[in-house]
Amino acid sequence: GENVEQHPSTLSVQEGDSAVIKCTYSDSASNYFPWYKQELGKRPQLIIDIRSNVGEKKDQRIAVTLNKTAKHFSLHITETQPEDSAVYFCAVPYEQSSASKIIFGSGTRLSIRP
Amino acid sequence: NAGVTQTPKFQVLKTGQSMTLQCAQDMNHNSMYWYRQDPGMGLRLIYYSASEGTTDKGEVPNGYNVSRLNKREFSLRLESAAPSQTSVYFCASSERERNTQYFGPGTRLTVL
Repeated sequence: GENVEQHPSTLSVQEGDSAVIKCTYSDSASNYFPWYKQELGKRPQLIIDIRSNVGEKKDQRIAVTLNKTAKHFSLHITETQPEDSAVYFCAVPYEQSSASKIIFGSGTRLSIRP
Repeated sequence: NAGVTQTPKFQVLKTGQSMTLQCAQDMNHNSMYWYRQDPGMGLRLIYYSASEGTTDKGEVPNGYNVSRLNKREFSLRLESAAPSQTSVYFCASSERERNTQYFGPGTRLTVL
């Protein structure tokens, strides 16, 4: 069945340290795995995505790693800054008969301590 | 280029009332989605439309109906609102299903 689990649900790190958020999923054949960021009171926005079977993608301080065999992918944020404080969501497409259903994880609230 | 727009921004309903939430996108996207986000919770998919003329149920479709009016517009209807439907509703669109989703600003709905 369709199941997307995201851990941890909350994360507090010292400014300048790294943060890692993990997403595990079941029964999806997707090759597309995105991460979204939602600041307080705002709409979710894509920050990074990956399209591959196994691998890593980097964009400045943000990276995503994917292991399709183990069915998990992770978001890595290095040198964290106050503006990184937000809720982060992973998402996984699931194939249906006519379309793909996009299921989001439950979110991780990241707080950056000064 | 306004992106994804939603109306209204805020709405208060009484139990049993009906209403339609409107969503439009001007990016020529094929796929559109409706999500609800309860306080402190994640995004749960209500309905989606992979292309004009098609709609499919998401994770939590009960109590809702949708209409893909044309390629630009995707509306969500609550026929008989219940307090459990108090939430923030987001509409989103993407060029295709496995592409970046662009979200609207959301509609904050309270059902008394």
